Amino acid sequence: QVQLQEAGPGLVKPSQTLSLTCTVSAGFFSTGNYYWSWIRQPAGKELEWIGRIDSSGSTNYNPSFESRVTISVDTSKNRFSLRLSSVTAADTAVYYCATTRRGVIFDFWGQGTLVTVSS
Amino acid sequence: DIQMTQSPSSLSASVGDRVTITCQASQDISTYLNWYQQRPGKAPKLLIYDASNFEAGVPSRFSGSGSGTDFTFTISSLQPEDVATYYCQHYQFLPLTFGGGTKVEIK
Repeated sequence: QVQLQEAGPGLVKPSQTLSLTCTVSAGFFSTGNYYWSWIRQPAGKELEWIGRIDSSGSTNYNPSFESRVTISVDTSKNRFSLRLSSVTAADTAVYYCATTRRGVIFDFWGQGTLVTVSS
Repeated sequence: DIQMTQSPSSLSASVGDRVTITCQASQDISTYLNWYQQRPGKAPKLLIYDASNFEAGVPSRFSGSGSGTDFTFTISSLQPEDVATYYCQHYQFLPLTFGGGTKVEIK
């Protein structure tokens, strides 16, 4: 069973950049035909897909975030990362990373990490 | 973007009851739909993919059906451990979007 773990600051100031990493259990990360996604969930609200990346580094982003988001991958370290710039209080949420079968099915999730945007 | 509308937003049922949740897409999504369970304070868990296929290890009391714009998720006999919020998610095209969720409680 694959395991994922998000890591990053729990508090980010408004206008700054949110940065998170997701480490994936070894062996699984090199599996072909897989994508890796970031998803967030504001408190008490629904899930929101941010974007995905494949092992070649090809990305797709939700247009709601496209001007602010960058997802990257480091296969040598079994991890992928999220950067979200110019954050506001509306970006306060639990951020999840997930393996994404066929690019569209979120089959394994990290435990999630709460990021609060506040001065 | 495709909008996914779930109903009801919450329900309360007794142990052993049959529970049905619906998910409606704003346009035809064929069978490009997944269902997830999110227990309180936990990450979502994949239950059903491609509208009706069981993820490995998922109890058989959970099932999904539908195609086009209308989908149904059913718990055939509600158990205490099923207390959670359930979400549908389409993948007809990007962006991938989720429904608003249905919170299931025990009466």
